[in-house]
Amino acid sequence: GEDVEQSLFLSVREGDSSVINCTYTDSSSTYLYWYKQEPGAGLQLLTYIFSNMDMKQDQRLTVLLNKKDKHLSLRIADTQTGDSAIYFCAEREDYKLSFGAGTTVTVRA
Amino acid sequence: GAVVSQHPSRVICKSGTSVKIECRSLDFQATTMFWYRQFPKQSLMLMATSNEGSKATYEQGVEKDKFLINHASLTLSTLTVTSAHPEDSSFYICSAPTGGADGYTFGSGTRLTVV
Repeated sequence: GEDVEQSLFLSVREGDSSVINCTYTDSSSTYLYWYKQEPGAGLQLLTYIFSNMDMKQDQRLTVLLNKKDKHLSLRIADTQTGDSAIYFCAEREDYKLSFGAGTTVTVRA
Repeated sequence: GAVVSQHPSRVICKSGTSVKIECRSLDFQATTMFWYRQFPKQSLMLMATSNEGSKATYEQGVEKDKFLINHASLTLSTLTVTSAHPEDSSFYICSAPTGGADGYTFGSGTRLTVV
């Protein structure tokens, strides 16, 4: 079965870069996703990467995928207070998503 | 883009009553809807998958009679928590495939509190 793991907490100073790491176990995953959840809200898709890609950059977000090690990371450049939230990585196999436990990112001034 | 509207956003009910949560796809047809439950500070747990016109598929350990799912049309899926108890208090989120690489669109969630 699928198993997605993430570190639970990250504290970062405003203006610095944040890096959130994720490992997954299912080598047949087609897509991997990063979602953001603010308190009391649903999930907002931040970015995704196809499993045959190594890197994807979208404005302040950079996703790195190491398929050999089954490791996914999300880097947020110039972290702002509005980036404080819970970030979930998820792997997709067929039509199902498996989520990590979420990383709570706290941005301090 | 594809949007799923979920209602209510928050509900408080008494033990023993039933609560219905609706998810509507606003500008696309959602033949499939995923229903998740999220405990505080925890991940999303897939409860069931509803398909328009057929019975829902429940994940292991999820009580079918407790969590009734109906997908009556291509734009509406509902989850009814029957005979609710305090342990059913949770955040429930629906999600529908968009058909694209971006995968899925999520409802805004329903915070259920059973008192």
